Amino acid sequence: NAGVTQTPKFQVLKTGQSMTLQCAQDMNHNSMYWYRQDPGMGLRLIYYSASEGTTDKGEVPNGYNVSRLNKREFSLRLESAAPSQTSVYFCASVPPPSDEQFFGPGTRLTVL
Amino acid sequence: GQQLNQSPQSMFIQEGEDVSMNCTSSSIFNTWLWYKQDPGEGPVLLIALYKAGELTSNGRLTAQFGITRKDSFLNISASIPSDVGIYFCAGPHSGGSNYKLTFGKGTLLTVNP
Repeated sequence: NAGVTQTPKFQVLKTGQSMTLQCAQDMNHNSMYWYRQDPGMGLRLIYYSASEGTTDKGEVPNGYNVSRLNKREFSLRLESAAPSQTSVYFCASVPPPSDEQFFGPGTRLTVL
Repeated sequence: GQQLNQSPQSMFIQEGEDVSMNCTSSSIFNTWLWYKQDPGEGPVLLIALYKAGELTSNGRLTAQFGITRKDSFLNISASIPSDVGIYFCAGPHSGGSNYKLTFGKGTLLTVNP
């Protein structure tokens, strides 16, 4: 099993550009999550999907949209990137009936 | 919203020393999770605690679920250079969504060889 995979690993955008961060898991987990990590701020939840077909806002959803394409894939979209969205983005998934989240390796995004 | 206070924020120790860090909350937690994040990687689960008072070990790591259910502790014995990283506590709080975790802001550990 590859676990949780994320693409790309690194990305540089100009202000106003759009992009989609991809996440996939091959562990048959129901719940998937998107976090951002900034220095001194820990991990902050952007959006989550409790199951296929459902998505909900987390702590910092503004400027982002998500799609739970199927059970395996959960993508995060920035429609118009801003410098404040420079961060490291992590995807995670959870097997039922657990709270133990499994994380991907992260996407390091810089918005100029 | 729900908050976890993790301390210390950072630690700089010599190889071989023992390390203690803790996490506290004003609300009750049903589960405590401790994660480690290596530089440039995603967090990895170290220890999961499910019962108040529970003491669980994983090699040189020992974690405890506080009796009040509002705190947890992580100890690392005889530290080595590969212990370097950020340690996070996390948990789903009682009464909240079972699908969401609250994370502490992390303890940055540096080990001097």
